Amino acid sequence: NAGVTQTPKFRILKIGQSMTLQCTQDMNHNYMYWYRQDPGMGLKLIYYSVGAGITDKGEVPNGYNVSRSTTEDFPLRLELAAPSQTSVYFCASSYSTAWDLNTEAFFGQGTRLTVV
Amino acid sequence: TQLLEQSPQFLSIQEGENLTVYCNSSSVFSSLQWYRQEPGEGPVLLVTVVTGGEVKKLKRLTFQFGDARKDSSLHITAAQPGDTGLYLCAGAGTASKLTFGTGTRLQVTL
Repeated sequence: NAGVTQTPKFRILKIGQSMTLQCTQDMNHNYMYWYRQDPGMGLKLIYYSVGAGITDKGEVPNGYNVSRSTTEDFPLRLELAAPSQTSVYFCASSYSTAWDLNTEAFFGQGTRLTVV
Repeated sequence: TQLLEQSPQFLSIQEGENLTVYCNSSSVFSSLQWYRQEPGEGPVLLVTVVTGGEVKKLKRLTFQFGDARKDSSLHITAAQPGDTGLYLCAGAGTASKLTFGTGTRLQVTL
């Protein structure tokens, strides 16, 4: 049971380069999320999706783009990478957003990105 | 923007000691979750608390939701090295999105 799979695990980018962080889940979850985690800052929501074809901005969307062409995949695109985007990126999915019913967000192992 | 502040930010204790981690906000949350994250991994859900004043126990971990549903605490009794990790609270608020706290990094040594 793979759950949420992210690739790559590590990446170094030069300033101005672009890349796509891949995320796929095999739990048939409608809801998917991208977070970034900076030291001592917890998780910040970048983008989220409530289903195939539907995406919306989170707290920190600038410099990123997403698409959701299938239920399984939710790639995150970085255009014109900047040092401020150095972070650990986590993709997550959930069956619903009924958090009070003990809905769980399932996370991938993360992608550690360094922009130099 | 709903903010969740956790304290302390770092905690280093010896095996067998007790500790409490706090998660505070000025916002009301419909529910609150606690996650634990180990190095190189994503966060994993420990518990969800829903009702103001609710207390839940998970073996040596005790979770409490504040009466006003603005704060929560996690108490660990007789900490073990396996408890080492980053503890994150997450509140369910506006638009059904989770807002994560700033995190508490716990190190338990022998």
